[in-house]
Amino acid sequence: EAGVAQSPRYKIIEKRQSVAFWCNPISGHATLYWYQQILGQGPKLLIQFQNNGVVDDSQLPKDRFSAERLKGVDSTLKIQPAKLEDSAVYLCASSLNPGGTFTDTQYFGPGTRLTVL
Amino acid sequence: AQSVTQLGSHVSVSEGALVLLRCNYSSSVPPYLFWYVQYPNQGLQLLLKYTTGATLVKGINGFEAEFKKSETSFHLTKPSAHMSDAAEYFCAVTSYNQGGKLIFGQGTELSVKP
Repeated sequence: EAGVAQSPRYKIIEKRQSVAFWCNPISGHATLYWYQQILGQGPKLLIQFQNNGVVDDSQLPKDRFSAERLKGVDSTLKIQPAKLEDSAVYLCASSLNPGGTFTDTQYFGPGTRLTVL
Repeated sequence: AQSVTQLGSHVSVSEGALVLLRCNYSSSVPPYLFWYVQYPNQGLQLLLKYTTGATLVKGINGFEAEFKKSETSFHLTKPSAHMSDAAEYFCAVTSYNQGGKLIFGQGTELSVKP
């Protein structure tokens, strides 16, 4: 079974530029998560999708971050414009059950490491 | 609000020694607890989880953890460390009213000396 795929793996941009990350979850997984992991910290949830609807985006900085999950499968996370403090690893995860069952295992992709100069 | 505290950002043990990584949580409702491992340049992988039932949970690679409600703890142990155990370990908590949202601790980096 293929795991969660993410691209690109690394990205370096200047501040105020735009950037987009892509995630392909495990086939059949209904719930998709985007996490931000700043160096030295644990991952922090940015947004959670259930199929193609948003369940939780309370910690997403909506003035600069946006995300979508077309057709309930792939997802993209965009930052526009980027700030220095956005430098982090952006992790995508998926879980099976459409209810976002709280005990579901979340399967993580390898992440995209973003450096903002 | 839920939170997780991992005591010690870096733990170093000798190969063959006991591994003990500490995790304390705060939750006003019954918690569900997880340990994840992250190898360099890789995503997180689930080691084990506690939901309900038996408080001693066994996971992959010989790790286990015990849920102690009275101590609000969920410490991770392994009797004998291997070099391949060197990685970053994260404790996380969620609950029935969080819709699957995980709250992570800041992580503990485990080093294993030959």
